[in-house]
Amino acid sequence: LAKTTQPISMDSYEGQEVNITCSHNNIATNDYITWYQQFPSQGPRFIIQGYKTKVTNEVASLFIPADRKSSTLSLPRVSLSDTAVYYCLGSARQLTFGSGTQLTVLP
Amino acid sequence: ETGVTQSPTHLIKTRGQQVTLRCSSQSGHNTVSWYQQALGQGPQFIFQYYREEENGRGNFPPRFSGLQFPNYSSELNVNALELDDSALYLCASSLWVGSALGSPLHFGNGTRLTVT
Repeated sequence: LAKTTQPISMDSYEGQEVNITCSHNNIATNDYITWYQQFPSQGPRFIIQGYKTKVTNEVASLFIPADRKSSTLSLPRVSLSDTAVYYCLGSARQLTFGSGTQLTVLP
Repeated sequence: ETGVTQSPTHLIKTRGQQVTLRCSSQSGHNTVSWYQQALGQGPQFIFQYYREEENGRGNFPPRFSGLQFPNYSSELNVNALELDDSALYLCASSLWVGSALGSPLHFGNGTRLTVT
């Protein structure tokens, strides 16, 4: 299993760019890296997924270096509604969530 | 497309009782996974079902069991409930293609189980 490590919490202000880094030292060759967002009393929601280099969608970018031992989720111009817990996953089979990163966006 | 739905949304049980939680997968998905999420923690993987068979299990005792039906809906059964079983139980569906996960997980909003 690819065990992941993330910062426990981060604070930011509205309009700033936020980068959350996750380490996954023992990621397997066929594992994708996936990030989820979770609001209180809701299930996690898929944000973005990648295998290597950079992936961008309408809400975020994901940067993965060549060794794939870490990844960085980038949220451009965050708003108050981006306050949530963010999880990274690095496994193609057993899907093990870490404790996630609590992002708090301040006005 | 129809998303993942779970029922009931809330449930209160007494220690020692049994509980069944239900999940309807997103259309087009063939795999369902169940998670337990205690307050303030990340979801913990219980097990995954593919083609009606258990296809992976986390560190949970046998009193946690499941079923997947031909229409890909699923049940989570927990016997001999303990106080520590109080948690949010999440179901997620996905598409398994060959030996790999072909889609991200799509989660329901969970069942909040309270054991007293």
